[in-house]
Amino acid sequence: EAGVAQSPRYKIIEKRQSVAFWCNPISGHATLYWYQQILGQGPKLLIQFQNNGVVDDSQLPKDRFSAERLKGVDSTLKIQPAKLEDSAVYLCASSSGDHEPQHFGDGTRLSIL
Amino acid sequence: SQQGEEDPQALSIQEGENATMNCSYKTSINNLQWYRQNSGRGLVHLILIRSNEREKHSGRLRVTLDTSKKSSSLLITASRAADTASYFCATDARGSYIPTFGRGTSLIVHP
Repeated sequence: EAGVAQSPRYKIIEKRQSVAFWCNPISGHATLYWYQQILGQGPKLLIQFQNNGVVDDSQLPKDRFSAERLKGVDSTLKIQPAKLEDSAVYLCASSSGDHEPQHFGDGTRLSIL
Repeated sequence: SQQGEEDPQALSIQEGENATMNCSYKTSINNLQWYRQNSGRGLVHLILIRSNEREKHSGRLRVTLDTSKKSSSLLITASRAADTASYFCATDARGSYIPTFGRGTSLIVHP
């Protein structure tokens, strides 16, 4: 089966610019997650979707971050405007349900200048 | 705050030796999962152990769970250079759907 696809792999922008990341989960997986992983740390959950509804977004900085999952399949994560502290790897994962193993993409490495 | 914390932060061993990593957590959980992350890649799921289980095996991996001590261990036997990676535990707290990862253990296996 095809894995979780993410694009782009790398992105370099200046602070205050906007950026968007795309994720295509494993076919049939209802649950989709976006994580932020800062260098040397574990992934931190930003938002969790169940189909096209939001399960949890308590750790998403909503003043600058937004995410959507139209039609319950692909998802996009946007940052506008970006800050220096947003430099991180943004990981997308999907699973067949809550409390089930997650399958991760290789992430987008974001650098803010 | 992070639910799971791995120990040690870094581990360096020779090929063929066993590697043991520990994870401690703070609140009751539904299950605990171990993941591996190679440099520049996403996380790969290794083992899921549920709160009513005490031990699980998968190939050269052995995971134990002690809910009374709120801790888990991951044992990799007969390590290989290809096992070099960061290892993370992730916990699912009871009443929460939020999976929480620790900071990870960085394992280096020297050939």
